[in-house]
Amino acid sequence: DAKTTQPPSMDCAEGRAANLPCNHSTISGNEYVYWYRQIHSQGPQYIIHGLKNNETNEMASLIITEDRKSSTLILPHATLRDTAVYYCIVRVVWGSQGNLIFGKGTKLSVKP
Amino acid sequence: DSGVTQTPKHLITATGQRVTLRCSPRSGDLSVYWYQQSLDQGLQFLIQYYNGEERAKGNILERFSAQQFPDLHSELNLSSLELGDSALYFCASSVDGSVASQYFGPGTRLLVL
Repeated sequence: DAKTTQPPSMDCAEGRAANLPCNHSTISGNEYVYWYRQIHSQGPQYIIHGLKNNETNEMASLIITEDRKSSTLILPHATLRDTAVYYCIVRVVWGSQGNLIFGKGTKLSVKP
Repeated sequence: DSGVTQTPKHLITATGQRVTLRCSPRSGDLSVYWYQQSLDQGLQFLIQYYNGEERAKGNILERFSAQQFPDLHSELNLSSLELGDSALYFCASSVDGSVASQYFGPGTRLLVL
């Protein structure tokens, strides 16, 4: 599985957009990009995933570069409750073991 | 609320003891995963079951075992406990065993004294 690189921490002002980058330069053609987050000591929460097109749901948007070597998770209007560790994970969806491999993630602090 | 339930929420025990953690997946989900989160190791995948069969194995110690029952609930058994086994243990479930959108339970916090 492709390795991901994320900044260890980021700050964001409440109400502003939070843009969390992820580098996955060795991603292969059948690997998807997943984002999960973990609010302190709670179970990780699925946010969004995508293959090559940009995706949006009620929680966030995922922008994947054309070469698929990096992506950005966008929380459009961050709130204090979005303070969490955000994990970018690259995994094949089908035909492989179904477990997630978590790295260290980015600790996002949303400040008032 | 993810729909995944785990019991107990907290567990305190002594070294050398054995404990059983229980997980009930979301209704309709066939696959169950167990993860361990300790301070120094982060979130580590232990084992996955799909419809009662073991599907994938991660960094699970030989002292640990798991099973998924016909009603799809799962149990993680930890034996000969050591201080280093103190961690949060999460169960997750998904519909079809693929990576897409796993739903995690609230976890069981295990403290080995």
